[in-house]
Amino acid sequence: QKEVEQDPGPLSVPEGAIVSLNCTYSNSAFQYFMWYRQYSRKGPELLMYTYSSGNKEDGRFTAQVDKSSKYISLFIRDSQPSDSATYLCVPREGYQKVTFGTGTKLQVIP
Amino acid sequence: EPEVTQTPSHQVTQMGQEVILRCVPISNHLYFYWYRQILGQKVEFLVSFYNNEISEKSEIFDDQFSVERPDGSNFTLKIRSTKLEDSAMYFCASSESVSTGELFFGEGSRLTVL
Repeated sequence: QKEVEQDPGPLSVPEGAIVSLNCTYSNSAFQYFMWYRQYSRKGPELLMYTYSSGNKEDGRFTAQVDKSSKYISLFIRDSQPSDSATYLCVPREGYQKVTFGTGTKLQVIP
Repeated sequence: EPEVTQTPSHQVTQMGQEVILRCVPISNHLYFYWYRQILGQKVEFLVSFYNNEISEKSEIFDDQFSVERPDGSNFTLKIRSTKLEDSAMYFCASSESVSTGELFFGEGSRLTVL
């Protein structure tokens, strides 16, 4: 079993839709949960960061972590074409290097 | 807003040539990284650097690669004898702390090896 699993997509949604991006992980030692966003031909950028279980909201973005089921979600409300990018979930232990999977490619259609 | 800057944005080189990719991290950051991304693939960790030495490196980072912080601002990645498979986008990143995992990435340097 891979340590982190994320559906690679692509996921196509109409503008204005609510998007749900999900990740599962197997390592119960993970405590830090991040979502990075990568636009085509650009470097990743940190979008959301949470520590342990719970929800965190930032504008149209909400990150959810359920440590009991080892499930991470990112919700995007009122999705915009500018949200079209690859979204990378990065759970990790503290002081561990940041490693990326293939992420989920999202396309928001105008 | 402070940012990580990388030069060159694109470099074309012949196989076997040496290449130096340059990065200026965010000024108060202490941790520096190089990642690479082959077209269509995931971003891969190469090396991390702290306190003027390598703190961790991946199996990709073999003897043809080296990193240096020659002065107080630049952070360089040298590829000694480039191979075709070194063609990729190379991203430099820096962070203030290693615990948070918040990395700030540059725009990348595209390396094409012919």
